[in-house]
Amino acid sequence: EIVLTQSPATLSLSPGERATLSCRASQSVSRNLAWYQQKPGQAPRLLIYDASNRATGIPVRFSGSGSGTDFTLTISSLEPEDLAVYYCQHRSNWPPLTFGGGTKVEI
Amino acid sequence: QVHLVESGGGVVQPGRSLRLSCAASGFTFSNFGFHWVRQAPGKGLEWVAAISFDENNKYYADSVKGRFTISRDDSKNILFLQMNSLRTDDTAVYFCAKDLPYRPYYLDYWGQGTLVTVSS
Repeated sequence: EIVLTQSPATLSLSPGERATLSCRASQSVSRNLAWYQQKPGQAPRLLIYDASNRATGIPVRFSGSGSGTDFTLTISSLEPEDLAVYYCQHRSNWPPLTFGGGTKVEI
Repeated sequence: QVHLVESGGGVVQPGRSLRLSCAASGFTFSNFGFHWVRQAPGKGLEWVAAISFDENNKYYADSVKGRFTISRDDSKNILFLQMNSLRTDDTAVYFCAKDLPYRPYYLDYWGQGTLVTVSS
């Protein structure tokens, strides 16, 4: 089973700042990685798939990069509504699908 | 507009059964695979089960294998999760989610979830 490790656990930033979230896989997942946003009390929302492709309707301030074992989600300029927990998820060598432990972004 | 609505959650004693449903609308149900993902209170996301668009392939997390069964009714656009031999550590919000078109196993739409509480 591939383990995804996210860091940091919590990120505290101000509006307008840049947020950089990390996801590291225990073995290569190529570019088979997605990022999700989960706001309090809501279901997760797909932000990024295939490491760097924005899903439909996702603002351009969200971008993804990486391949192999190291991936990054960047929020270029934080908005107050970006307060959420962000999860990475791989789809390589499934099952199982696995999610990272999440990074909480505090504004 | 895509909608996924879960139902069937509730409070159940350990060892008992529960069946969750996920009613879908706004897209061609039979073209997509689906998943159940759960989230224990205050915890992260855990993938539970998946079913292919043609129902030929079903996959389960080790933690539920042999106890849970995923199925679908394409005539009614409903996804199911039959949960037997429930344990206290199955307590969670259960989400259904659909595959992203042409990119299965990325989950592009999710329901709002249904809470399952296993307690004596």
